[in-house]
Formats: sequence, structure tokens, C-alpha cells
Amino acid sequence: GAGVSQSPRYKVAKRGQDVALRCDPISGHVSLFWYQQALGQGPEFLTYFQNEAQLDKSGLPSDRFFAERPEGSVSTLKIQRTQQEDSAVYLCASSLRGHGGYTFGSGTRLTVV
Amino acid sequence: AQTVTQSQPEMSVQEAETVTLSCTYDTSESDYYLFWYKQPPSRQMILVIRQEAYKQQNATENRFSVNFQKAAKSFSLKISDSQLGDAAMYFCAPTQGGSEKLVFGKGTKLTVNP
Repeated sequence: GAGVSQSPRYKVAKRGQDVALRCDPISGHVSLFWYQQALGQGPEFLTYFQNEAQLDKSGLPSDRFFAERPEGSVSTLKIQRTQQEDSAVYLCASSLRGHGGYTFGSGTRLTVV
Repeated sequence: AQTVTQSQPEMSVQEAETVTLSCTYDTSESDYYLFWYKQPPSRQMILVIRQEAYKQQNATENRFSVNFQKAAKSFSLKISDSQLGDAAMYFCAPTQGGSEKLVFGKGTKLTVNP
């Protein structure tokens, strides 16, 4: 596609519920990144894929967070047993490879009530 | 952990004037990349400008330019001839660990007054 597509744009979850956030990167982009952006803060790194391989998951805050990219294109970020502190905007970005800079999606705003 | 400091939480500028946003960072790496991203209320982060640390020449992209001082670990963004559409949050972000992973500052909110 022309850009990075994320869905849903907004998600309200009850505490304890599982959620799945989808990212559809630009076609052909090798690298895919997930970031978490709390209100009034800069994005913080969660995890990074190169094709289907998850090369770095050091930013995932707990074992409730899980990301996958099984065919090297679409990625899903799953959060189990959501808690209020998980409320944030989740940003996905992709790049061809190298350090040319990412293209970001518009993010999913998750609110846990 | 690498930290990025944007010391100006908010800045304002008159339309057509020039404004400079500051950024300092710490890193032990010698080769890395630095970026400025813009985030309007729509939430989508937009790449403004990119700098390679091994290049001494400051990057320029139309009305946007940087003042990169590697020894001081400073990477400021200058916006010339400010336009109303420049109003947004601006984030400074160097790469980390030799990868494409970015570390972001807390951002500077830029207001452009007509």
C-alpha cells in the first residue's frame, strides 16, 4: 500500500481483556517497528522485526506483550490481560532497510478502563 | 540507557520567522544517525530531516536545516520562513546500538502564530 496502515484506530478495553493491534507495512519494507507513546511523551521502542525474524524485543514491558510477523509483512501486537498502565498510543513503522528513516502509521490509541 | 533531552517543552514563532529547536543526547557510539520527526494532532509521525553522524556537513531539507555538533552531542533543528502548517510536536531521535532502533526525546510543541 501507499502507507503504513494500523487498525483499529481506537480501542477501548476493559481491564483484564486481551487485545490485538494490527500493522500493515508498506509493501516490500523489510524492517518493522512497534513503539509505545504515553500521553505527553515521546515514543518508546517495543520491538523490531526484519522480515519475519524478531531481532529485538528488549522494549516489551512484560510477558503480557507479544508481537509477531509470521509472513514478513503484516504484524500483530498482542497484549494479554490489559492493565490501565497499558493505555497509550501504539505506533507501527516500517523501512526498506538501513538508516533512511521510518514511515509511521497513524497509531492505535488504546484506552484500558 | 541512551537519553535524549529536548529542553524546550514549548516554543512559539511568528509566521515567516525563524525558530530553532534544541536537542542533546548521549551515546558511546561513533557511527549513528539522527532524525527529527514532526507529529501533528493526527498522530502520524512524519520524517523532517536526517543526519549521518560521520558527515560533518549539516543536513538541509528546504526550509529545515540542522546544526549538528558531534563532539557536543547536539542536534538542533532550524525552521526558516515558518508556516502555519509547521505547528506540531517535534521529536529528536538518534539511532541506538548500531541498529535502526530510535530513542526519542520528550518533544517540543511548536506553535506558529499568524
